Amino acid sequence: DTAVSQTPKYLVTQMGNDKSIKCEQNLGHDTMYWYKQDSKKFLKIMFSYNNKELIINETVPNRFSPKSPDKAHLNLHINSLELGDSAVYFCASSQGVGLPSYNEQFFGPGTRLTVL
Amino acid sequence: GENVEQHPSTLSVQEGDSAVIKCTYSDSASNYFPWYKQELGKRPQLIIDIRSNVGEKKDQRIAVTLNKTAKHFSLHITETQPEDSAVYFCAASSNNAGNMLTFGGGTRLMVKP
Repeated sequence: DTAVSQTPKYLVTQMGNDKSIKCEQNLGHDTMYWYKQDSKKFLKIMFSYNNKELIINETVPNRFSPKSPDKAHLNLHINSLELGDSAVYFCASSQGVGLPSYNEQFFGPGTRLTVL
Repeated sequence: GENVEQHPSTLSVQEGDSAVIKCTYSDSASNYFPWYKQELGKRPQLIIDIRSNVGEKKDQRIAVTLNKTAKHFSLHITETQPEDSAVYFCAASSNNAGNMLTFGGGTRLMVKP
């Protein structure tokens, strides 16, 4: 009965590699998000996506790209990994956008990415 | 864009005391203010939220207040228990920005038995 799931839980890789993190939600939500939590625990939005619109935080390098094969999935692709990309990445979902009742976001368990 | 400041960064209280965490935001278009609790190694979990048409909301030992004019909101935890120990995050979002949450820097709450 997992609501928002992510794979893998841990990812260790070398600098320069390309990697993906998968996210799936079974809540029937329309909007999904990716957040980055650094070593100091700061949580920062990276992307907001629904089937109509992708909103990108302007500070996110274009090495990061979200890809959504369908409404229940939003995967995160990272090219040319750098040391500074090491962090915990959280996927989240909410019912939609626009109406106040749609705001609540449910987070996945996180993926700890370590770049060596 | 939105900027959310959160204070204090650490807070230590005795079991049974109250804890108060304060946040300010910059974007007057923000209309949704959730609070998340994150235990070590776990995901952030929503504990309470408030929308801009409400000034106060309470759920058992947890309450949140919002002052739209001053652009600040606060989390109040009464009768704290050791299991309340965690990192708490405030956040703000607006419908204009795809409901993306801008988080405060977090408060590490330690409740001493």
